[in-house]
Amino acid sequence: DTGVSQDPRHKITKRGQNVTFRCDPISEHNRLYWYRQTLGQGPEFLTYFQNEAQLEKSRLLSDRFSAERPKGSFSTLEIQRTEQGDSAMYLCASTPTANTEGHEQFFGPGTRLTVL
Amino acid sequence: LAKTTQPISMDSYEGQEVNITCSHNNIATNDYITWYQQFPSQGPRFIIQGYKTKVTNEVASLFIPADRKSSTLSLPRVSLSDTAVYYCLVAGSARQLTFGSGTQLTVLP
Repeated sequence: DTGVSQDPRHKITKRGQNVTFRCDPISEHNRLYWYRQTLGQGPEFLTYFQNEAQLEKSRLLSDRFSAERPKGSFSTLEIQRTEQGDSAMYLCASTPTANTEGHEQFFGPGTRLTVL
Repeated sequence: LAKTTQPISMDSYEGQEVNITCSHNNIATNDYITWYQQFPSQGPRFIIQGYKTKVTNEVASLFIPADRKSSTLSLPRVSLSDTAVYYCLVAGSARQLTFGSGTQLTVLP
């Protein structure tokens, strides 16, 4: 257990529905990341927050995806009008700001999304 | 971000030392080399990071030659629980991590 928690762990939804995932990072970590991982592939970066500011977004993050970190603590990732291609594991990671040269990110257990 | 190449899979037996080599021919001066481990249905876990020569921690060693165009993760005396996917990454100032497909290590009894 890295100290990063994600909820729910599993989500099954029907195509066209909206889903929202939550990530609670390690409390003193300022940076928070979202990744997506499909079967047999490594995680792909989606977006990154420094405190409450969303500083980077991947081209993978279509307009159906939105992420927030309103108080600089927990974060939510919402997918609107889900498609079957959205089925994947959604991973959250956090790291302290002081880790300026290192790339040690602490990952949560992920939320597995299945879109029927 | 520099692209990495590593074997798709490797098999080993319990108690053996395992070496996984990663090539990163276009690594940049400010890039660090980082290795992660991932078990099924879990998030990746940081193993080790280095810039040059050799780094050792309680779980692994990382060997980096002078030209830094490759690196080798060494796992001493593996056990069945070391069966996992191992990712080699190189990253500099960018905060996001770029994972490849990794190396599936299977430890056999």
